[in-house]
Amino acid sequence: NAGVMQNPRHLVRRRGQEARLRCSPMKGHSHVYWYRQLPEEGLKFMVYLQKENIIDESGMPKERFSAEFPKEGPSILRIQQVVRGDSAAYFCASSPEATKTEAFFGQGTRLTVV
Amino acid sequence: AQSVAQPEDQVNVAEGNPLTVKCTYSVSGNPYLFWYVQYPNRGLQFLLKYITGDNLVKGSYGFEAEFNKSQTSFHLKKPSALVSDSALYFCAVRRSNDYKLSFGAGTTVTVRA
Repeated sequence: NAGVMQNPRHLVRRRGQEARLRCSPMKGHSHVYWYRQLPEEGLKFMVYLQKENIIDESGMPKERFSAEFPKEGPSILRIQQVVRGDSAAYFCASSPEATKTEAFFGQGTRLTVV
Repeated sequence: AQSVAQPEDQVNVAEGNPLTVKCTYSVSGNPYLFWYVQYPNRGLQFLLKYITGDNLVKGSYGFEAEFNKSQTSFHLKKPSALVSDSALYFCAVRRSNDYKLSFGAGTTVTVRA
């Protein structure tokens, strides 16, 4: 059973470009979470999705950031018009159920904005 | 609100010595507590969790953690550290009926040969 798969592992974007980060949850997991890790900080919750639904996006910036988890395919975290402050590691996690089990994390995507 | 504090940025120990990584938490209601480890250029790996029951929880790679409700602590321990335990360790907490994890800032563990 493959773990949570994220790609790309590293992504470099110029200021103003768009960044698209992909996450395929573990098999059988329908709950997906995105976290952001800024330098010298712990991970911060961004958004929680189930198939085709955003359940909680309270941790996501109101502008330029969006997330989706379509019926088919991976979850996508999209950042439009990136700025230097978006440089961080973005981690995706999945779980088979929301509150009774632990979440399993992917390897992360390290976004660098130049 | 919920939060986690890892008071030590770095912990250095010699191989074969005991290893302790400290964690204190704040959460309303019953806490679910977790430890994750991040090796260089790799994702977070789940080590262990406390949900309910025995205060001493055993996890992967010989690690264990003790839940102390009165001190609101969940310290990670290993009786005899290995060089391969060198990594970044994160403590996390959430409420029992929630999905949102709050992480500490992490503790870098270095085990010297």
